[in-house]
Amino acid sequence: NAGVTQTPKFQVLKTGQSMTLQCAQDMNHNSMYWYRQDPGMGLRLIYYSASEGTTDKGEVPNGYNVSRLNKREFSLRLESAAPSQTSVYFCASSGRGLDPYGYTFGSGTRLTVV
Amino acid sequence: GQQVMQIPQYQHVQEGEDFTTYCNSSTTLSNIQWYKQRPGGHPVFLIQLVKSGEVKKQKRLTFQFGEAKKNSSLHITATQTTDVGTYFCAGPSGTYKYIFGTGTRLKVLA
Repeated sequence: NAGVTQTPKFQVLKTGQSMTLQCAQDMNHNSMYWYRQDPGMGLRLIYYSASEGTTDKGEVPNGYNVSRLNKREFSLRLESAAPSQTSVYFCASSGRGLDPYGYTFGSGTRLTVV
Repeated sequence: GQQVMQIPQYQHVQEGEDFTTYCNSSTTLSNIQWYKQRPGGHPVFLIQLVKSGEVKKQKRLTFQFGEAKKNSSLHITATQTTDVGTYFCAGPSGTYKYIFGTGTRLKVLA
């Protein structure tokens, strides 16, 4: 089925460990995004990629890095995980930045840092 | 920086009652989008509003964009248990991205 695929779905890390969250879309979308969701905080933008070859910081980029590997794939890396990074992470894509058809979200990665 | 706030944060209603969530932006918006997230799920796009004062309907859902294009509302008539979830508004921030509101979590009591 066409859409946005995120892996893994669940992950537990120890403080200081590193990991990469993977995201791939098969809708030929140009723009991709990483959001984190915390209770009462809504969805906060971490990084985005307006098009292949570009990445930019969002509202809460500290502690994260991203790579737009190709048009389909956009990964999020935590170099040294902290308990404050415990959250649900969503990847999203859209045809273009301000797409009237909205964003398509992946099913999320639930990350716990202990 | 730009902020998008929603009220209320939570709302419990009896099945059959109406529900409204309000979205307010600190800046004028070129458009506004609404999403629904079911419990344990991911946000799903519902609709986009563009024009000042615009009203759009999807079955029992009515979306409105304020005249000043700084606020919006989502009204659900005669709620059903399938309406349970969190509703988010989102406004553009620059050319390439949206800022999401804090969301309103709706619980429907059968």
